[in-house]
Amino acid sequence: AQRVTQPEKLLSVFKGAPVELKCNYSYSGSPELFWYVQYSRQRLQLLLRHISRESIKGFTADLNKGETSFHLKKPFAQEEDSAMYYCALILNQGGKLIFGQGTELSVKP
Amino acid sequence: DTGVSQDPRHKITKRGQNVTFRCDPISEHNRLYWYRQTLGQGPEFLTYFQNEAQLEKSRLLSDRFSAERPKGSFSTLEIQRTEQGDSAMYLCASSLAGGKGEQYFGPGTRLTVT
Repeated sequence: AQRVTQPEKLLSVFKGAPVELKCNYSYSGSPELFWYVQYSRQRLQLLLRHISRESIKGFTADLNKGETSFHLKKPFAQEEDSAMYYCALILNQGGKLIFGQGTELSVKP
Repeated sequence: DTGVSQDPRHKITKRGQNVTFRCDPISEHNRLYWYRQTLGQGPEFLTYFQNEAQLEKSRLLSDRFSAERPKGSFSTLEIQRTEQGDSAMYLCASSLAGGKGEQYFGPGTRLTVT
């Protein structure tokens, strides 16, 4: 079955420290992977998608098919990065999203 | 267009009652999705529509749940004979078919069954 796993429920770092939020997936086909973010009292929104190979708000994520991972990284965390982060997988274009359990990132001053 | 909207934002109901939620997607989006999110978990897919056609339903969607999108615009999700286990945040999202896969989420409806 298709699954997305985020092993850390909470990740706490100090401002300026590097951040890596882990995401592993299980899917035998060619996945499309996303990171969604939910800031406090805001709705869930797309942060970045692997096919765009873009950097958003200093975050990047590389799809590693060998390790079936899509970890989210940022070299220097900011306090405004504190939020819930969800890794998600789409099986076919425009279809349902399969989400991981989410990781709460807390960036301390 | 201010994005996906959902109504009501909060609903408290007694066990056994029926509830109905509404979702208004972004106007040009032809796909509409329903998800459910419980505390400490990521959203779980329930069902989705392309225009007025319901294309997929999750096994999570028991026969007490029904969703409609009669004119291909807004959608309703009804839960009959609510149970305490139905307490959750119900999220709606919309997208363009054939787009880049990005889904735009509404603020959610928080259901509490007492």
